[in-house]
Order: sequence, then structure tokens, then C-alpha cells
Amino acid sequence: DIQMTQSPSSLSASVGDRVTITCRASQNIDSYLNWYQQKPGKAPKLLIYAASSLQSGVPSRFSGSGSGTEFTLTISSLQPEDFATYYCQQSYRTPQAFGQGTKVEIK
Amino acid sequence: EVQLVESGGGLVQPGGSLRVSCAASGFTVSSNYMTWVRQAPGKGLEWVSVIHSGGSTYYADSVKGRFIVSRDNSQNTLYLQMNSLRTEDTAVYYCSREYSSSSHTRNDYWGQGTLVTVSS
Repeated sequence: DIQMTQSPSSLSASVGDRVTITCRASQNIDSYLNWYQQKPGKAPKLLIYAASSLQSGVPSRFSGSGSGTEFTLTISSLQPEDFATYYCQQSYRTPQAFGQGTKVEIK
Repeated sequence: EVQLVESGGGLVQPGGSLRVSCAASGFTVSSNYMTWVRQAPGKGLEWVSVIHSGGSTYYADSVKGRFIVSRDNSQNTLYLQMNSLRTEDTAVYYCSREYSSSSHTRNDYWGQGTLVTVSS
């Protein structure tokens, strides 16, 4: 099975900061990588698919990049509503594993 | 409008069984890949199972042989039958649609989740 590893596990940032989260796959997954945002008590929300495609309705401050085994999610200017936990997920092969999550907290 | 509504969660003893449901509206379950994802309290997301539009099913190793995913086309509803439940199966269970375009799949719609608690 393909393993997904995110870093960092948590980070503290201020409104307006640029935030970058990294996701690494245990083997080549081309661009089969999705990013989700989850707030407490809520279902995950799709942000980015195919490594860099922005899901409809998602603000343009979110962007994704990478291919192969290393990927990044960038929030260009952190907003109050962006404090949440972020997960990557590989869609290259079943089972479609998730990373362990990165919690973005207010500094 | 696409909507997914889970139901059927609750408290069950170890070794027991439970079936959770996911009623869909705004799209046809049988024409899509449908996924179950769970989240133990305070933990991350864990992929559990998928049923393809053609009917093929796949499971995480942690539930293989104990859980069965199915669908009722007439009710446009997805099910997860959970047998031989263990305390480590305690989680919120989410159903999700797996949408595909240009060979890339992603979970674009999610239900609100239903809590399954396995405890004596």
C-alpha cells in the first residue's frame, strides 16, 4: 500500500501569513494527489485535486503543486476561516490513503 | 443540489453488528464510485471502502472480511454493513462521492457523518 506523510503535524501562524504544508508519498503517484480541509465537527471539504487543480468555489489563495512523490499545499495569505486541519490523499491506487493531517492554529 | 445523509450510527457491543446508511440526492449512486471514510475520535481520516459503478468492491485491510459495502439502486442509498465490531472501529463514518475526470478521482461531496461507538 502507498503511505502518505505530511509535515509539519501542526503549525502556528498569523492572519496574512503565507503557509506551506508538505505531503510525501512512499512511491511515485504522478499527480494523483488531493487536498482537503476539515474544521472541528464537520466533514472534510475538497480544496485541490490532481495536485494543482482548484476545486470550484475554493478561494484562489489556496494552491497546490508537485508531482511524483513530493507535493505542497500553499495558502498565500492566511484568513481567519482557514484555521483548520488539512489532509492530503493519494488517488493513484486503492486503498486511497490519507496523510495524518496538519493542524493550522492561530499564533 | 447534491446531498448525502448518513444514518444508523449508535452504540454497539464488541462482536456485534451494525448497518449504516447513506441516502443520496441530486445524483445517482449506482453511476458513481462511492466511498466510506472514517475518523476515530481525535484522529485523522482513514479510507475504509469503495464500491465502483460496476459493482466491484474494495476494503481497507483493517476491515476486510468484516465489513460489506452495498447499494440499493431503487432507494439511491449506500450501505456499510459492519460485523464483528471491535473497539477500534469506534469512529465517525462518512460517505462520499468519488468523482472522476481525466482519470483523476477525488471525493467532492461528503455526508455529515454518523458516529459508531463500540463499547461494552
